[in-house]
Amino acid sequence: GGIITQTPKFLIGQEGQKLTLKCQQNFNHDTMYWYRQDSGKGLRLIYYSITENDLQKGDLSEGYDASREKKSSFSLTVTSAQKNEMAVFLCASSIQGREGERLFFGHGTKLSVL
Amino acid sequence: GEQVEQRPPHLSVREGDSAVITCTYTDPNSYYFFWYKQEPGASLQLLMKVFSSTEINEGQGFTVLLNKKDKRLSLNLTAAHPGDSAAYFCAVSANYGNEKITFGAGTKLTIKP
Repeated sequence: GGIITQTPKFLIGQEGQKLTLKCQQNFNHDTMYWYRQDSGKGLRLIYYSITENDLQKGDLSEGYDASREKKSSFSLTVTSAQKNEMAVFLCASSIQGREGERLFFGHGTKLSVL
Repeated sequence: GEQVEQRPPHLSVREGDSAVITCTYTDPNSYYFFWYKQEPGASLQLLMKVFSSTEINEGQGFTVLLNKKDKRLSLNLTAAHPGDSAAYFCAVSANYGNEKITFGAGTKLTIKP
């Protein structure tokens, strides 16, 4: 079996700060995703990538950048943290991103902005 | 685009009782349906994946019902036990690729002794 590792687990930032979240997977999956999970809301897609160096915007991409330098890693950057922002960011991967393929998730990075 | 509404947001039942979580969706082209379970401190794990061709899907201790006419998906837990305490998320996908998966807002289920 494989695993998705997200670092850090907790991230505290200052308003206006640029913050980077990292994700590694050893499933050898082609497609990776970044979701934002807010209390009381469903998971919302920020960015996804179908292969190394590919980037596709999701519904919530504004205010974020992403990078997929290697097949196994996918990073997300909050370009300017918003005051009092609090959310969990989930990384996921799937085989080739075919429709109907299950997603495998990491444990999440919990972001708090002071 | 697809809208998925999940109810209830919180649910508390006694051990041994049943629990029902329901999602309604809007896109008639939706074809793949998923239930994910997120235990406290853990990652989301797939509970069941169903296709629109199957209306009743049974797992260990639960049943997933799909009503395409009403665009309703439900997760029915029978004889709930403490290990069922978790957050549950439905997810719906049409034939457009995984980037078009739409998640429900989640249901936090608590099993009381």
